Amino acid sequence: AQKVTQAQTEISVVEKEDVTLDCVYETRDTTYYLFWYKQPPSGELVFLIRRNSFDEQNEISGRYSWNFQKSTSSFNFTITASQVVDSAVYFCALRPYSGAGSYQLTFGKGTKLSVIP
Amino acid sequence: AAGVIQSPRHLIKEKRETATLKCYPIPRHDTVYWYQQGPGQDPQFLISFYEKMQSDKGSIPDRFSAQQFSDYHSELNMSSLELGDSALYFCASSYRDRGRNTIYFGEGSWLTVV
Repeated sequence: AQKVTQAQTEISVVEKEDVTLDCVYETRDTTYYLFWYKQPPSGELVFLIRRNSFDEQNEISGRYSWNFQKSTSSFNFTITASQVVDSAVYFCALRPYSGAGSYQLTFGKGTKLSVIP
Repeated sequence: AAGVIQSPRHLIKEKRETATLKCYPIPRHDTVYWYQQGPGQDPQFLISFYEKMQSDKGSIPDRFSAQQFSDYHSELNMSSLELGDSALYFCASSYRDRGRNTIYFGEGSWLTVV
């Protein structure tokens, strides 16, 4: 069974602060994918990043960075110099790399980020 | 680039009525997924199709059915609607190929059952 835990239900930060969203996962698969999605108040789910379990290189994209540590089963997401437009619910998700049929995503419960001007 | 297209965006139905949601996946994607997201909840997997055949089934009620057509669009049919079916319904698509299988979501269809 797969499980994704986002322990932080809600976080509030003041604009320009840095913020890290935590994600811890459980899986019996040796290879898998991890994802982060953003859901703004308008409701759509926006893909942010996909990480393969065999690639532990951290990634930076503008103000966003991701820290993948297989040893601790964590895939944390940091927003640097947060902006009001970053206010959203952020979901971490997991799916198998391969397997018979089960390609769907398992989501965490989400972290609601509020950036205060 | 083309995204996943869902219609209608908003739908209001009465209890015991039927609703149909449509989804047009990203061109050339071979897999379509349906998810249901209740208020304040994470998305829950309902069902998926690979090359027009049902490939996996999640927590989809028996009152719901889905299919994928020859042009790859998919429809989710919901009958005998209940108040608890009020949710945001997402369609998503991807390639099954392991190297290219990021799942992209549509903007969702808001269903309100009154």
